[in-house]
This record gives sequence, C-alpha cells and structure tokens, in this order.
Amino acid sequence: DAKTTQPPSMDCAEGRAANLPCNHSTISGNEYVYWYRQIHSQGPQYIIHGLKNNETNEMASLIITEDRKSSTLILPHATLRDTAVYYCIVRVGEGGSEKLVFGKGTKLTVNP
Amino acid sequence: NAGVTQTPKFQVLKTGQSMTLQCAQDMNHEYMSWYRQDPGMGLRLIHYSVGAGITDQGEVPNGYNVSRSTTEDFPLRLLSAAPSQTSVYFCASSYNRGGTEAFFGQGTRLTVV
Repeated sequence: DAKTTQPPSMDCAEGRAANLPCNHSTISGNEYVYWYRQIHSQGPQYIIHGLKNNETNEMASLIITEDRKSSTLILPHATLRDTAVYYCIVRVGEGGSEKLVFGKGTKLTVNP
Repeated sequence: NAGVTQTPKFQVLKTGQSMTLQCAQDMNHEYMSWYRQDPGMGLRLIHYSVGAGITDQGEVPNGYNVSRSTTEDFPLRLLSAAPSQTSVYFCASSYNRGGTEAFFGQGTRLTVV
C-alpha cells in the first residue's frame, strides 16, 4: 500500500497557485518525498523531490514540514495544461525506478 | 534524446496468445521497471531490473516474464494472454542512486479479448 494520503480531487483557477497537500506520517529518516504527475493517461512525469529542505525548480516548489510528516506541492501559476493526476510518493534513497509506490493521487482540475 | 521508448502503443490480443512489449532507453540508466495501470488506479510494479543480467519480481509478476541482456532494452513478455492482463503498461528507467528521478515511456495500451 502507498504510504501517503492525498485528497482525491482539487480545483484551482487558472493563474492562481495550486497547493496540493500530502500526508506521510510514517516516513522514515532516509525516505525522500517525490511528486509525479500524469496527464491524461500519458506516462508519469517527474516534478520534484526532497528529503528535508524545501525545494524549488522551474515547475514547482515543494514544502516539507519540519517533522517531515506532511508536504505541499505548489504550482505557482497554474495553467490549463497543469490539469492532471498528481502523485505524492515516499521512497528510500537507494535504488531507482522500481521503488515508486503509486497511490491514487490527487486529480487537479485547473479551471479557466 | 529519445528517453524511454515503448512499442507498440496499442495492441489487441486474443486469449492465449503471447507477445512481447518492447522498452528501450538511451540514457544509460541502470534501473528499468515495468508497471501496469488499471482504470482508476495507480501504477503497480510488475518486474524490475537493476542492471544487465539482473531481474526481480515486483508486486504483480504472475503471467509476465522479463530479461535484461543489454543496458538499453528491457522487454516484457506475456506468456499466455488473459483478459485480466488488459491494462496500460508503462516502462520506466533511472540511475541507481538516491534522490533520482525516473523517466517513463508513453505506455502501451493492451486489450486481451
């Protein structure tokens, strides 16, 4: 079973920030938090990951609470093309693509 | 840079037929994996490989076979297709180190009738 809890769906207005929450209360000290998204049944796309510190890249920001039991993915200016299912995944640092356990994610709908 | 390439994109099989789903990556990644995705569900791991010549089972391996003779290729074989194997199949690859993103192919949509 996935070790994360996400709301099944969220809505956001185009141009506004989308804040997607994720609970991972059983996370271990060596587990990373990853975010992927899947647009309309395409292959999942990597967005961002972090261990302890907040992270930012050209796509999004990742805010991890100090106790690491929850995190928030922020899309600063959502567009219609950001409509997708967003997956929050925790996994141990070692290894690669086989360590991803996907839950049902959050269906984000960006409205015009 | 092609990334992860899956072929075919669509396939219809009859029950009992066998076939191979192809996956190739050009990023020299050590790790490769196969996932399946059923409607309304997340991806589930079928088989994975940590390098050429090394494979292991994932969460749902029954009815599937894999081999890894080269770093680039990781084919998935359906030995005797069943309707329960109707799904979308994704191949992924990544480097073998922590904090590494995985790259996914665009998927193969398989229907078994």
